[in-house]
Amino acid sequence: QKEVEQNSGPLSVPEGAIASLNCTYSDRGSQSFFWYRQYSGKSPELIMFIYSNGDKEDGRFTAQLNKASQYVSLLIRDSQPSDSATYLCAVSGNTPLVFGKGTRLSVIA
Amino acid sequence: DVKVTQSSRYLVKRTGEKVFLECVQDMDHENMFWYRQDPGLGLRLIYFSYDVKMKEKGDIPEGYSVSREKKERFSLILESASTNQTSMYLCASSETQGINNEKLFFGSGTQLSVL
Repeated sequence: QKEVEQNSGPLSVPEGAIASLNCTYSDRGSQSFFWYRQYSGKSPELIMFIYSNGDKEDGRFTAQLNKASQYVSLLIRDSQPSDSATYLCAVSGNTPLVFGKGTRLSVIA
Repeated sequence: DVKVTQSSRYLVKRTGEKVFLECVQDMDHENMFWYRQDPGLGLRLIYFSYDVKMKEKGDIPEGYSVSREKKERFSLILESASTNQTSMYLCASSETQGINNEKLFFGSGTQLSVL
């Protein structure tokens, strides 16, 4: 059974700080890595994806991948109260996505 | 923008009823998926389809079936609803298989209550 693990949180950070969200996965054959954001009462939306080791930046978001350690992270710089949501890590490797249970982020103004 | 439309936002059914959850996407996507989401359990895959007329079981298919007669429509069927099927049901679609095949676009969800 392929597993994706996330700390459920809540992770509380002050406004303007860097939020760091982490994810580990069990399947070494995994090839694609995704971060979805889910606001309360809404459906998940894709915010970042990464396929290669290293960092990928998009605005205030940076995804980091370390395949040797089977570790994916999402950094949110200059966190805003509007970033308060649950962040779902998802992993795929020629099979449908496996989702982690999500980390709830709370950005305090 | 991709639109994935689920027919009902809230649904209340009685145990033993046959329930149909409808999902339609308008972007000619090949792949469609049904998930359920429960507190503490996260998103779990029920069924998926990579092609019209094709369907595959996900992690928790028991008590469910699906139909994909047309490319844009993927229906989830609860043959005989039970209280443990009370959940948020999410439909999603994505483009063709390949490295980008799992950029999922989700519908707004159906909160099903089985009494």
